[in-house]
Amino acid sequence: DGGITQSPKYLFRKEGQNVTLSCEQNLNHDAMYWYRQDPGQGLRLIYYSQIVNDFQKGDIAEGYSVSREKKESFPLTVTSAQKNPTAFYLCASIGSRGAGNTIYFGEGSWLTVV
Amino acid sequence: RKEVEQDPGPFNVPEGATVAFNCTYSNSASQSFFWYRQDCRKEPKLLMSVYSSGNEDGRFTAQLNRASQYISLLIRDSKLSDSATYLCVVNYYGGATNKLIFGTGTLLAVQP
Repeated sequence: DGGITQSPKYLFRKEGQNVTLSCEQNLNHDAMYWYRQDPGQGLRLIYYSQIVNDFQKGDIAEGYSVSREKKESFPLTVTSAQKNPTAFYLCASIGSRGAGNTIYFGEGSWLTVV
Repeated sequence: RKEVEQDPGPFNVPEGATVAFNCTYSNSASQSFFWYRQDCRKEPKLLMSVYSSGNEDGRFTAQLNRASQYISLLIRDSKLSDSATYLCVVNYYGGATNKLIFGTGTLLAVQP
């Protein structure tokens, strides 16, 4: 079955370290997204990518970086420049543009700074 | 102004009550609209897509008003299991853009 796989589900980071969250989809989707969710808050867009080798900043891109070298993969790196990285991170993808598209989500990754 | 706005709640309602959520969006180019349900510490799950003609799925009814740029979700005969956060999602696309914007979510707590 097609879907999105995020890993790791739980991750601990020491201050000053970079960490990378993996997001892989086998849905043949062009568009992929990374969101951050803080407790009691909604989803805020970090980065998104419409196509391979292209990506755009979302509302809270500072301290994060992404790459899109393959259609199925959109990893997110939380850099040491992100001062408050503890949060729930969600990866999503959507098919070709048009009404009635379904958004697919990964199961999320919990990142904690220790 | 945020691109997508929701009343964060919480909405505390008794079982059997009818509850309505609204969500407004600012970009008139927005094309597709959805309601998602999110349980604590889980990823969002699709509840229903929203169309101008309105759509109903059991106890849930969704409506889109393009002129006023809002979408609504009505839940009838609330169940305890309806307790969750309800997220409205707007997908707008055009040219090189295919952007998904989420509202902050509305927390619903159904009381016995």
